[in-house]
Parts: sequence; structure tokens; C-alpha cells
Amino acid sequence: GESVGLHLPTLSVQEGDNSIINCAYSNSASDYFIWYKQESGKGPQFIIDIRSNMDKRQGQRVTVLLNKTVKHLSLQIAATQPGDSAVYFCAENISGGGADGLTFGKGTHLIIQP
Amino acid sequence: SQTIHQWPATLVQPVGSPLSLECTVEGTSNPNLYWYRQAAGRGLQLLFYSVGIGQISSEVPQNLSASRPQDRQFILSSKKLLLSDSGFYLCAWQSGRANEQFFGPGTRLTVL
Repeated sequence: GESVGLHLPTLSVQEGDNSIINCAYSNSASDYFIWYKQESGKGPQFIIDIRSNMDKRQGQRVTVLLNKTVKHLSLQIAATQPGDSAVYFCAENISGGGADGLTFGKGTHLIIQP
Repeated sequence: SQTIHQWPATLVQPVGSPLSLECTVEGTSNPNLYWYRQAAGRGLQLLFYSVGIGQISSEVPQNLSASRPQDRQFILSSKKLLLSDSGFYLCAWQSGRANEQFFGPGTRLTVL
């Protein structure tokens, strides 16, 4: 897929600021979305998910926003900390759409500046 | 609780040598299992997935194969490694009733 061959875009933010990571998806039939965090040398970790019947979901310091009209997903991280430095992937799925699973976005490398 | 293991964590192999990477899941039954490859600074590429013992689906033609000899065991293999097989290999599991996937710690493979 397209996400595989591209270098990851980078977002650089100051420690303590809020971070917003964006993701565009293409399949209008997708009804489930996840954000993953991948630290260097580790497997991706689940952060937060949202279903298409919602526009917003909040977790601890993170908020996911879903705009189905323009097929856009964003992850907001409040008061960014050094431990937030990682690559963030969005993923989409169609419930009941088969076992081939999630379609991953290309990822964004979040860099925290002191 | 469910856990997923991968080994080895790191592997350096010469071109033309065989490969066997193992993934096991604990705490769940009949999971969907997945192998992904991630090149440095790149996204995730789905290689294989399995919905049950002996059932393997391949997403991309390649030099690798997968097998699922037991319900919670997923193996990635190659008879002869190529330089292009280098990468970070991730195993993931998913409950058949859910959408989210949970990833293992990964295996860093370097083919020289």
C-alpha cells in the first residue's frame, strides 16, 4: 500500500504544548478507527479508538476527533511530554469486513523539543 | 490478560540462509493472527494473516511464508533470505469479535 513506501512526516512540538496529529482515510465504508503509538524499536501500542457513530472521544490527555464528511481523523495530545515522542499511526477498519484487518496510515513522527 | 510474544528479538542472518520467526499468544483462544513488516522509517506492511490453524492468507507475493501449526502459534519462514527481507517484523493478534489489534514486541532482522 501507499503507506509502506513513504518516509514518515515529522511533527515537532515544544514540551508542554498541545500536539495535533492528522490522518486522512479513503474508505467511506470504514466505521472503526484506532490510533497507535510506536516507540523506537518496539511494537505499536493501542492508544484510543473511536467508532463512526461518534465525533469525539477523550482519554487520558488524548482526544480523537472524527470528521466523516471529509474522511479525516485527528489525535490531540494535551501538554506534550518527552515520553510522547514516538511514531503515531492511525488505522481504519470495516466492522465485519473480514479478517484481513486494519488498514494503517503512513504514520507521523512526533518529536518533543525541550 | 492476554500477552503476545515474539522471538528472537534481534537476528542477523547471511543472504541465502533460512529464517524462522515465532509468535505466540497467551490468554485468548482462536485469535486472528497477523505478520507485518516495517522498513526503517516506513509504515506497516501486512504480509500474512490467519483466522485458524492451518489457514494462511498472503497479502503480497514474496520470499516469505507463514504457518500456524497451533491455535496460538504463528511462524514466519523463508528458505533463502534476500537482502530486501531486512526489516522489523511484527506479529499481532485480534479477537474475532473485535476490531483492535495488539502487537508483539517485534523482531529486528538484518540480512547481510
